[in-house]
Amino acid sequence: GDSVTQMEGPVTLSEEAFLTINCTYTATGYPSLFWYVQYPGEGLQLLLKATKADDKGSNKGFEATYRKETTSFHLEKGSVQVSDSAVYFCALTLSGAGSYQLTFGKGTKLSVIP
Amino acid sequence: EPEVTQTPSHQVTQMGQEVILRCVPISNHLYFYWYRQILGQKVEFLVSFYNNEISEKSEIFDDQFSVERPDGSNFTLKIRSTKLEDSAMYFCASSGDRGRRNGYTFGSGTRLTVV
Repeated sequence: GDSVTQMEGPVTLSEEAFLTINCTYTATGYPSLFWYVQYPGEGLQLLLKATKADDKGSNKGFEATYRKETTSFHLEKGSVQVSDSAVYFCALTLSGAGSYQLTFGKGTKLSVIP
Repeated sequence: EPEVTQTPSHQVTQMGQEVILRCVPISNHLYFYWYRQILGQKVEFLVSFYNNEISEKSEIFDDQFSVERPDGSNFTLKIRSTKLEDSAMYFCASSGDRGRRNGYTFGSGTRLTVV
């Protein structure tokens, strides 16, 4: 079945450090890919998305590129801030008829220290 | 910005009791979902709902679970006889399409604790 694998956390970085959170996927069709973020005590918020190969999603300084050849969608940010501390989830949903569900990775907790 | 609203934020119930978790999706959305997250584990799909019927459900969503859209605004998840293993954070979500283009909008969740 479809699955998403994220790098294990927690990740602790100093402010202004470079962030990479790895995400790879397995899917039988052509998925749309998403990163969701969950700030402490809050729900899941869509951070960015990409719906086809080579698309780059970006938002709030975060970027991720849909790489079909490596089945990856790694999240990056050039300079993290304390306010970026949260849990980040990679997710996919298939294109085409039939499936409506999002499949999530386990989440990666990021802590940014001043 | 439109929000998905969930109530209550935290519910404690005794094993074997029925619980109803409530959600108000975004008003012009057509697709509705429930997900759950057991502490420290993945966010798991439970069910999707469209046009007043279940579109898709996971194997977690057994006969103890049911969903309903009782009026034009609410979307509820009922667990008939709760078990200890039902303790989790339950997220409601909605989307204008199937979520493939724009993703889903999630609520803040209801933390269900079964004792």
